[in-house]
Amino acid sequence: SQTIHQWPATLVQPVGSPLSLECTVEGTSNPNLYWYRQAAGRGLQLLFYSVGIGQISSEVPQNLSASRPQDRQFILSSKKLLLSDSGFYLCAWRAQGIMKYEQYFGPGTRLTVT
Amino acid sequence: GDSVTQMEGPVTLSEEAFLTINCTYTATGYPSLFWYVQYPGEGLQLLLKATKADDKGSNKGFEATYRKETTSFHLEKGSVQVSDSAVYFCAAGAGSYQLTFGKGTKLSVIP
Repeated sequence: SQTIHQWPATLVQPVGSPLSLECTVEGTSNPNLYWYRQAAGRGLQLLFYSVGIGQISSEVPQNLSASRPQDRQFILSSKKLLLSDSGFYLCAWRAQGIMKYEQYFGPGTRLTVT
Repeated sequence: GDSVTQMEGPVTLSEEAFLTINCTYTATGYPSLFWYVQYPGEGLQLLLKATKADDKGSNKGFEATYRKETTSFHLEKGSVQVSDSAVYFCAAGAGSYQLTFGKGTKLSVIP
């Protein structure tokens, strides 16, 4: 069966510091991978998605970036955090294939920028 | 583009009450439809899905029927429990790499 991991689970970082969040998927090959953010009490905002190694699509231009160095690894980064980067960050995967739209989510990372 | 509209809530119900959360969609093509549930502090879990008209998805006592004529996928449960307190998201997927999510409906069930 497939499993998705995210770490760290929680993070408190000062404004202006760098960020690296990691997501890995087990039990599947060549998944589509996604990064979402949830601000407090709000819905999901898609940040990035990737259909393969080194292929990143950005949905929201901002001070965040994403990379996919390996098939089942997805990393979210920032060089300098802003207060507005606080939120709950969710990674998700989806199987490749026609009519396979469902996404499966990780447990999330709670980021607080102080 | 595609869009999903769901009642925003919050919804507060007594234990054993009947639950309906409305969801309607607009999409090009023939979307697959989903309900996700998010418990406090956790990621989203796929609750149920339907891929064609008149399909009924069901799981853990929850049901939703794909109604193409009304472009709706309403979530129902006959008797809610305190443990059902969560945020529920409706989503649609068709022809792209992305899912379109509704804004979520917070459900609180009181004993």
